Amino acid sequence: DTGVSQNPRHKITKRGQNVTFRCDPISEHNRLYWYRQTLGQGPEFLTYFQNEAQLEKSRLLSDRFSAERPKGSFSTLEIQRTEQGDSAMYLCASSLSGVDTQYFGPGTRLTVL
Amino acid sequence: QKEVEQNSGPLSVPEGAIASLNCTYSDRGSQSFFWYRQYSGKSPELIMSIYSNGDKEDGRFTAQLNKASQYVSLLIRDSQPSDSATYLCAGGSARQLTFGSGTQLTVLP
Repeated sequence: DTGVSQNPRHKITKRGQNVTFRCDPISEHNRLYWYRQTLGQGPEFLTYFQNEAQLEKSRLLSDRFSAERPKGSFSTLEIQRTEQGDSAMYLCASSLSGVDTQYFGPGTRLTVL
Repeated sequence: QKEVEQNSGPLSVPEGAIASLNCTYSDRGSQSFFWYRQYSGKSPELIMSIYSNGDKEDGRFTAQLNKASQYVSLLIRDSQPSDSATYLCAGGSARQLTFGSGTQLTVLP
């Protein structure tokens, strides 16, 4: 029984570069979520997919952020033209329809220099 | 603006004592509530879920929900040094969760 996996685990980039993160949910889970967490804060919701459909997106999410889940399995989160304020831990979670419990992956730590 | 408020702590308890963690939420539409534990540098790990008013017990952990007061709590009995972590309260629905900023707990040997 494998959990949620995320790649890469760490990413260091220069300001202005684009970055892409990948999340593989628990195999039977059809719901997938992205969160962002900065030091001393709880995770902040970014977006939610049910199967391949993106059903929720935070109003706080900049247009530089885009997420996809093309076949309802893995998901990617892309950040274009990164800024230093994007430095954070990006967390992916998944759940099963009918069960609200979300299980988190290990996260991708992004550092923007 | 949906908010979940927690005392940031830090909270220190001696080994073997009961640790009490509290949380309030603003969104009356929230249906599901969770407690997650997060060790430094790691991702959140689910401890408890609670959906209806009252108490729910799982081993050394008891979660309590009072929807009228918009209040969620977590009791940790017989606290162990390995329980030292940040505890995150979250509430919401299947579409998204709103997290508090966490309470840092230290269990002293």
